[in-house]
Amino acid sequence: EAGVTQFPSHSVIEKGQTVTLRCDPISGHDNLYWYRRVMGKEIKFLLHFVKESKQDESGMPNNRFLAERTGGTYSTLKVQPAELEDSGVYFCASSQVNPGNSYEQYFGPGTRLTVT
Amino acid sequence: AQSVTQPDIHITVSEGASLELRCNYSYGATPYLFWYVQSPGQGLQLLLKYFSGDTLVQGIKGFEAEFKRSQSSFNLRKPSVHWSDAAEYFCAVPRGSTLGRLYFGRGTQLTVWP
Repeated sequence: EAGVTQFPSHSVIEKGQTVTLRCDPISGHDNLYWYRRVMGKEIKFLLHFVKESKQDESGMPNNRFLAERTGGTYSTLKVQPAELEDSGVYFCASSQVNPGNSYEQYFGPGTRLTVT
Repeated sequence: AQSVTQPDIHITVSEGASLELRCNYSYGATPYLFWYVQSPGQGLQLLLKYFSGDTLVQGIKGFEAEFKRSQSSFNLRKPSVHWSDAAEYFCAVPRGSTLGRLYFGRGTQLTVWP
């Protein structure tokens, strides 16, 4: 079974440009999450999809960030326009719908975004 | 404020030595508690989890963790560390209405000397 995949693994863009990150969850996982880790800080929750609906987007930092999950499969996270403080590692995770209350989230390897 | 604290940013141990990584939480009620590990180039992998019941939890790769309510702690332990255990370790608490929002500690980087 394939794990969570993320593309690209690295991205270097200039301030003001647009970047789109992609996440493919484990097949059959209705829950999809985005997290971000800024250097030296803790991993922070951004948002949670259940299928194509946003269940919780309380962690999205501002309106420059747009997450979508059309069709309830893969998800994209667009940053437009990018700012220096957006640099960090963006993680995606997925999980099944409460199987036995395990709440286990499976993480991808992350996308390292550098804004110069 | 509600939080997850990992006091040690970096720990170095010799291969074969025992290991304890600290995690403290600050929540009103007893939360669920997780430990994740991230090896270089990999995603975070769940090592073990605590929901209720037995306070000593066994995980994968020979790790265990003990929940201590009186100390608000959930420390991760391993009796004998292997060089392949070198990684970054994260303590986490799930929150939110569906427990889908993970709050992480800052992580502890483990270096293993041969």
